[in-house]
Amino acid sequence: DTAVSQTPKYLVTQMGNDKSIKCEQNLGHDTMYWYKQDSKKFLKIMFSYNNKELIINETVPNRFSPKSPDKAHLNLHINSLELGDSAVYFCASSQGPAAGHYNEQFFGPGTRLTVL
Amino acid sequence: GNSVTQMEGPVTLSEEAFLTINCTYTATGYPSLFWYVQYPGEGLQLLLKATKADDKGSNKGFEATYRKETTSFHLEKGSVQVSDSAVYFCALSDLAGGSYIPTFGRGTSLIVHP
Repeated sequence: DTAVSQTPKYLVTQMGNDKSIKCEQNLGHDTMYWYKQDSKKFLKIMFSYNNKELIINETVPNRFSPKSPDKAHLNLHINSLELGDSAVYFCASSQGPAAGHYNEQFFGPGTRLTVL
Repeated sequence: GNSVTQMEGPVTLSEEAFLTINCTYTATGYPSLFWYVQYPGEGLQLLLKATKADDKGSNKGFEATYRKETTSFHLEKGSVQVSDSAVYFCALSDLAGGSYIPTFGRGTSLIVHP
């Protein structure tokens, strides 16, 4: 069973389009994240949700909007896609502090977004 | 704010060579420390972790010791294999406002030649 899954794995689209990436975790974790990884492998945290509540909202364009319908899902919607949005987007999850864990994160396989 | 600094790559080694990847951090609290590995085309996966000073994390022949006095968490392996070729990320997690705040280094690419 896949612990953290993302769909789609590849996404090729034109500038100006709107697209969504879905993420699901079956680990029972409280916290989920979205990261952006650029071509130099630099990993930047974008958002974090704990029990469906937004707790980290880094400086990203407001064209990016996360949505958490329930604790197991965190989707990323991107409006008006730009060339600079091309990257690999990773979803991750972890247990919250109440569980006595230390925030080990479990990552999905990534979604490679290419904007033409 | 918190930060993680790790040596720039790529690090290129021959098989069976000794590996060190340096990592230092700054944190406002008492963080947990991690090394993650990313194989080509995959997501990151936890390699090892340490949650308090002087703890040693180890896995698959890799080791790192939490050094609070030098704020370091250097990754070492005595004898690397071609299959260890990957990107390695040092990371910390700090509690702030009841939530964990993760911070990652920029990653170090390791290339091991036969």
